[in-house]
Amino acid sequence: ELKVEQNPLFLSMQEGKNYTIYCNYSTTSDRLYWYRQDPGKSLESLFVLLSNGAVKQEGRLMASLDTKARLSTLHITAAVHDLSATYFCAVDGAQGAQKLVFGQGTRLTINP
Amino acid sequence: DGGITQSPKYLFRKEGQNVTLSCEQNLNHDAMYWYRQDPGQGLRLIYYSQIVNDFQKGDIAEGYSVSREKKESFPLTVTSAQKNPTAFYLCATGTGWTEAFFGQGTRLTVV
Repeated sequence: ELKVEQNPLFLSMQEGKNYTIYCNYSTTSDRLYWYRQDPGKSLESLFVLLSNGAVKQEGRLMASLDTKARLSTLHITAAVHDLSATYFCAVDGAQGAQKLVFGQGTRLTINP
Repeated sequence: DGGITQSPKYLFRKEGQNVTLSCEQNLNHDAMYWYRQDPGQGLRLIYYSQIVNDFQKGDIAEGYSVSREKKESFPLTVTSAQKNPTAFYLCATGTGWTEAFFGQGTRLTVV
């Protein structure tokens, strides 16, 4: 059974600092997704990582995938308050069927 | 405007009542999904459908039912057999090879 674990689950940081969210998963998969959720809202797609070594960057966020280690990271550079949200990673448990298994989410709070 | 529409946004259910959540898409995606989110938790898959007239159970299908009579529509019925239905329900679509796109969600509360 595929399990996805994120850490930390809660992260409070100051503006301008850097930090990394980790996503570990238990069985082989080469497709991983990162989503953002604001309070009371739906999920917004951030990154799609489809192969080992994939790296994607958008603004202050950068995501990477190491399929051998079954690990993805979401790195935040010089955080700003607007990045405060809950971030989820999701792993595709069945290629083609896109049965996503989600991590518990990381609630990120960025303080001025 | 392409997208996914869920309705209603808020829904209240009495004990013993069945309720149906609507999900419509005009993205021409074959696959559609229903997820449940409990407060402070990740999403869990209820049902999914990869093609019209076919659907599969996800991890927490008990107490729920679905139909897929049209490509554009994938309604979810929360039956009285679901003992703890209060949650945020999210519908999603996908091609199977790109990210899943989510609707705005329906918040269901038992009263």
